[in-house]
Amino acid sequence: ETAVFQTPNYHVTQVGNEVSFNCKQTLGHDTMYWYKQDSKKLLKIMFSYNNKQLIVNETVPRRFSPQSSDKAHLNLRIKSVEPEDSAVYLCASSYLSTGQLYFGEGSKLTVL
Amino acid sequence: DAKTTQPDSMESTEGETVHLPCSHATISGNEYIYWYRQVPLQGPEYVTHGLQQNTTNSMAFLAIASDRKSSTLILPHVSLRDAAVYHCILRVAGGNNKLTFGQGTVLSVIP
Repeated sequence: ETAVFQTPNYHVTQVGNEVSFNCKQTLGHDTMYWYKQDSKKLLKIMFSYNNKQLIVNETVPRRFSPQSSDKAHLNLRIKSVEPEDSAVYLCASSYLSTGQLYFGEGSKLTVL
Repeated sequence: DAKTTQPDSMESTEGETVHLPCSHATISGNEYIYWYRQVPLQGPEYVTHGLQQNTTNSMAFLAIASDRKSSTLILPHVSLRDAAVYHCILRVAGGNNKLTFGQGTVLSVIP
């Protein structure tokens, strides 16, 4: 049963456009994450928020910006997308005190 | 730096018990061992975790070596639905949950 909801699930766009992915969790968790999964299926963490506070900010291009309105929502905006941004973006949530993350189904971005 | 080492792939037949190994020779005393699995077109799914003692739940049994330098995820009576990529990950207790996923082990299950 899905409890981490991502939209959209697929998005195709052209180089230079802006894209936003939305994520909502209904589990009452205090921490949310964005991961990027590349074509080789490797998962890399990008950002993490705990109670709306940024706690993990990996080295990613400045065109990526996370946005947290409350602890149940974490969005990801990409300004001026590049071809290398093509990937699956996975949102997850958990209690910070545990390592049991719940992942959404992913948002696949294709940049033409 | 990869902190865990897993075989690239393993194969099993439905109904068999599968042993998925993971080596973590440099594990610290405050690091937990977590296992996740991922099937195509879905996000990773938590399987189990442990610190020192063996653990069991409805999905799997986790056997941890006495020196904690290796562990084995044991899947009893596998079905086709168990075919997935299995990730062995170390998590620092009290940390920020910056979990690092490697290539994992691709488990194939033959009918």
